[in-house]
Amino acid sequence: QVQLQESGPGLVKPSETLSLTCRVSSYSISSGYYWGWIRQPPGKGLEWIGSIYHSGNTYYSPSLKSRVAMSVDTSKNQFSLNLSSVTAADTAVYFCARRPQIWVGATVVGQYFDYWGQGTLVTVSS
Amino acid sequence: QTVVTQEPSFSVSPGGTVTLTCGLSSGSVSTSYYASWYQQTPGQAPRTLIYSTNIRSSGVPDRFSGSILGNKAALTITGAQADDESDYYCVLYMGSGISVFGGGTKLTVL
Repeated sequence: QVQLQESGPGLVKPSETLSLTCRVSSYSISSGYYWGWIRQPPGKGLEWIGSIYHSGNTYYSPSLKSRVAMSVDTSKNQFSLNLSSVTAADTAVYFCARRPQIWVGATVVGQYFDYWGQGTLVTVSS
Repeated sequence: QTVVTQEPSFSVSPGGTVTLTCGLSSGSVSTSYYASWYQQTPGQAPRTLIYSTNIRSSGVPDRFSGSILGNKAALTITGAQADDESDYYCVLYMGSGISVFGGGTKLTVL
């Protein structure tokens, strides 16, 4: 059973950078799959932030692209999220998840999430 | 900007059938969007129910089914149970690695 666990500071000051790590167990990141971040502000819906492959290839949400950077550390079997210039609007529970691709021939036609971490609350406040 | 639409709330009687939908603010949803569906109870991580429009994730009971109805993706729950009371989210794949979540539907079983 693939397991994911988020970690990082629970409190970040406005204008600073939010940094989170997702450690993966029972599956080697280097074996494949994209890995993603999703967030959920208190009382609101889910929002996809971005995804990364073990090679370092990334996809980011257009609405967050200017502030997001993701990285992967295959030696530690983990991947990370950096979100810069945070404001109170970035207060949310942040989830990491595995993101399988759907192939038709040699073309990726879809992606979804199958395994999820439990989430970690990050509050942006001075 | 593309908006994925879902009913904000829905209610169903125990044992009843309910269909939740997932549409687009502009245009129609087809199988080409490879819709996926997730169930979330308060304080918990989402649980994957359906992917690629109609494929049930491992361990998901066959009471849950996915389809395309008209111009929307749909999640149908037959024989609703009390523990189906949750928030349900759809995700559409927009291509180029981009996925968009719908706003979610709060399902009440009463």
